[in-house]
Formats: sequence, C-alpha cells, structure tokens
Amino acid sequence: QQQVRQSSQSLTVWEGETAILNCSYENSAFDYFPWYQQFPGEGPALLIAIRSVSDKKEDGRFTIFFNKREKNLSLHIKDSQPGDSATYFCAASASSGSWQLIFGSGTQLTVMP
Amino acid sequence: EAAVTQSPRSKVAVTGGKVTLSCHQTNNHDYMYWYRQDTGHGLRLIHYSYVADSTEKGDIPDGYKASRPSQENFSLILELASLSQTAVYFCASNDRGDTLYFGAGTRLSVL
Repeated sequence: QQQVRQSSQSLTVWEGETAILNCSYENSAFDYFPWYQQFPGEGPALLIAIRSVSDKKEDGRFTIFFNKREKNLSLHIKDSQPGDSATYFCAASASSGSWQLIFGSGTQLTVMP
Repeated sequence: EAAVTQSPRSKVAVTGGKVTLSCHQTNNHDYMYWYRQDTGHGLRLIHYSYVADSTEKGDIPDGYKASRPSQENFSLILELASLSQTAVYFCASNDRGDTLYFGAGTRLSVL
C-alpha cells in the first residue's frame, strides 16, 4: 500500500510552460509535505515544503497547492526551464507519532528547449 | 554547508559476498538514514539511527545490517549480497523532523 502516490512517472513540457506535478496521500495524520528535487548522479535536495495549515506555498517559480480535504497536493513550476529537468519526489510526514518521511515514487520531468 | 559523504560511489559485488557502504556527515546531526532507490519505487528507508551505537529498522530492513559507531559515521552492511540488492543507496542526515540532507549516492551492482 503506497501511502504517498505520484500519479505520473514522467512528464514532458516545453520551455516556458507551467509543469504540474501531482501527489496524493492516504494518512490523515500527515501534516508536512516537502518536495525534493534530484538531478542525475546526485542525491535529492529539498526544493520547497508546505505544512497542512496552509493551502499554498510559493518560492520563486515553484508553488505548492495543497488540498487537505481531498488529500492531494501539486507542485507547479512556472516558466519551466531545461535546467528544471530532474526527478521530483513528493514526501509526507506526521509531526505526531511516526514522523519519518514517506516518499512517493517520483516524477521525472523533462523540459524541452 | 551541510555535508554527507558516501563511499564508495560505485561498487560491483559478487553474489554471496559481503558489502559495506560507508557514510560520513559533518552536519552534527543526530539522525542518519540509509535509503534505497529503485526505478518506480522512489526512496525506501532501510535503517536509521538517532544516536551512536544504536540503529533502528526502517521499512525494508531484510538482508541489511547497519552500524553507527559515532555520531558522524553510519554504515550499511550486506552480509550476503544478492542480485535483488542491485540499486542506488543514499545516506542522509537531519535533526528530528527537519530537512533531510542526502549524500551523492552509491551505485551497487551485484553480479
């Protein structure tokens, strides 16, 4: 049973478009949702994160939209650049109880020039 | 800057052999983790530790042992390597509930 699910294994967009990466979760206790970005040959690195008390978090071209009722969230990458081509992992954890991060399977984003 | 260093970066092992993957962090973090990455499965937690000389099982501990001899060092040990353990392994560290800092990974091929 996958607690954090990313609906697309891969996504291709053109340079300048908005890339939308989707994520859903099952555990209502999850209250922290980071997105990690991984380039080939490197380890993942934190890109942006949101807590369940918010429905939106913005950082430059990256925005997380969060829907607590539907148990889903999405990462929007505005004005996508070829340098954004990477694998993006959605993750979740609960600040009470087991606080370990649970990762989704990742979405490989390709931005075509 | 937070730093997690893994060695070796890649390794070829024979089935049934012993493999040790090493991790060193200079972040002064209490928590260290070993993850396995496979295509389609994302990152799965093998073992973790929150204090030296103590380790805990993660979600997929079978076939793996871990050792935390000091706050800075955390090793993953495959006593009898198997073909199914071919994967990329990542070490990470953090303080409880905080941002995870990952190493660059070790690509292990078991033949």
